[in-house]
Amino acid sequence: NAGVTQTPKFRILKIGQSMTLQCTQDMNHNYMYWYRQDPGMGLKLIYYSVGAGITDKGEVPNGYNVSRSTTEDFPLRLELAAPSQTSVYFCASSSYRGAYYEQYFGPGTRLTVT
Amino acid sequence: QKEVEQNSGPLSVPEGAIASLNCTYSDRGSQSFFWYRQYSGKSPELIMSIYSNGDKEDGRFTAQLNKASQYVSLLIRDSQPSDSATYLCAVNLAEDYKLSFGAGTTVTVRA
Repeated sequence: NAGVTQTPKFRILKIGQSMTLQCTQDMNHNYMYWYRQDPGMGLKLIYYSVGAGITDKGEVPNGYNVSRSTTEDFPLRLELAAPSQTSVYFCASSSYRGAYYEQYFGPGTRLTVT
Repeated sequence: QKEVEQNSGPLSVPEGAIASLNCTYSDRGSQSFFWYRQYSGKSPELIMSIYSNGDKEDGRFTAQLNKASQYVSLLIRDSQPSDSATYLCAVNLAEDYKLSFGAGTTVTVRA
């Protein structure tokens, strides 16, 4: 059971380039999330999904897009990279535990836009 | 007002002492509360979940919840150098699958 996996671990992009951050979970969780974390800050929700084919915006969705074609995969797309998108990106998934949802995180992708 | 606020750090404690971390939240409808540990350069790791008032103990960790006062705390007993990390408080509403995170408190345990 690998849990939540993310690729790549690191990436440097030039301004205006595009890329997709990959996220896969093997726990059969319905709920998946993308966060960004800037230095010294908490986690900000970018997008989330409650199941295959269903996605919704979080707090900071501008500049990003997502899709969810399968339960396992939840890729995050950056179309026109900007320096403000330099951050660490975490994917997470969760299941309902009868009273609450517990989220489990992937290892993260460190992205630099120059 | 921020949704989830944590006591500002960094917090430095000697080895063997108790580290006390506090978290307050603004939404009275919040129902479940989580503590994550994040080592430098790593992802958050869930260490405690609590949703009933009172204390919940797991090894050297104790989470305390007081919904009337809207705070949740984490005590780390017999602190070890391996406890040096940033601790994130997270909160969600009843049956809401989204979490709101605090900015974190960095703990350093000095030998």
